[in-house]
Amino acid sequence: DAGITQSPRHKVTETGTPVTLRCHQTENHRYMYWYRQDPGHGLRLIHYSYGVKDTDKGEVSDGYSVSRSKTEDFLLTLESATSSQTSVYFCATTQGPENTEAFFGQGTRLTVV
Amino acid sequence: AQTVTQSQPEMSVQEAETVTLSCTYDTSENNYYLFWYKQPPSRQMILVIRQEAYKQQNATENRFSVNFQKAAKSFSLKISDSQLGDTAMYFCAFMNRGSARQLTFGSGTQLTVLP
Repeated sequence: DAGITQSPRHKVTETGTPVTLRCHQTENHRYMYWYRQDPGHGLRLIHYSYGVKDTDKGEVSDGYSVSRSKTEDFLLTLESATSSQTSVYFCATTQGPENTEAFFGQGTRLTVV
Repeated sequence: AQTVTQSQPEMSVQEAETVTLSCTYDTSENNYYLFWYKQPPSRQMILVIRQEAYKQQNATENRFSVNFQKAAKSFSLKISDSQLGDTAMYFCAFMNRGSARQLTFGSGTQLTVLP
């Protein structure tokens, strides 16, 4: 298995509070992604990174921000959590432009109450 | 933008039988990749099979094979000799060749293999 670790694995938080999810990889992969999974929608891209300090928005980026200060870490922040952000969040990586296989973390179940 | 459509939210199959999961996609690109991912109850995303759009030959991985129809933008997954361990959510996904390798997923098909 690719060394992708998400933390925390489960979190319950209150509406309006900030939340940060962490993705850590030991594979030295260039690209990193955050997806959210919701019933009836599959996985949807929130943000992605194509290198240290290089990030871009995905399909559902509103309400989320990301940072990547080191190759191995990609952080997803919900500045002020809302109930609509209750979801399962997946981090993924790909090695580089010539590689197509994506490796996924175990997912983080976030509940906003 | 690409879209991926899986029109079968749920399917079931008897153990040892064959089942086909459907997927259609829409893109204006000519070079791309298509994937089927499996997500068992453990929630782990597992790559099942990959197809490169410029290859006419359909990909095969053991009991899993695809029927790739580029002109029709169709990419179905056939599972032969279904096993109880095949019970999972299956996602069809699209990746643009020239992109930063992000995936666009369909909504998924929940497959249940019945004993």
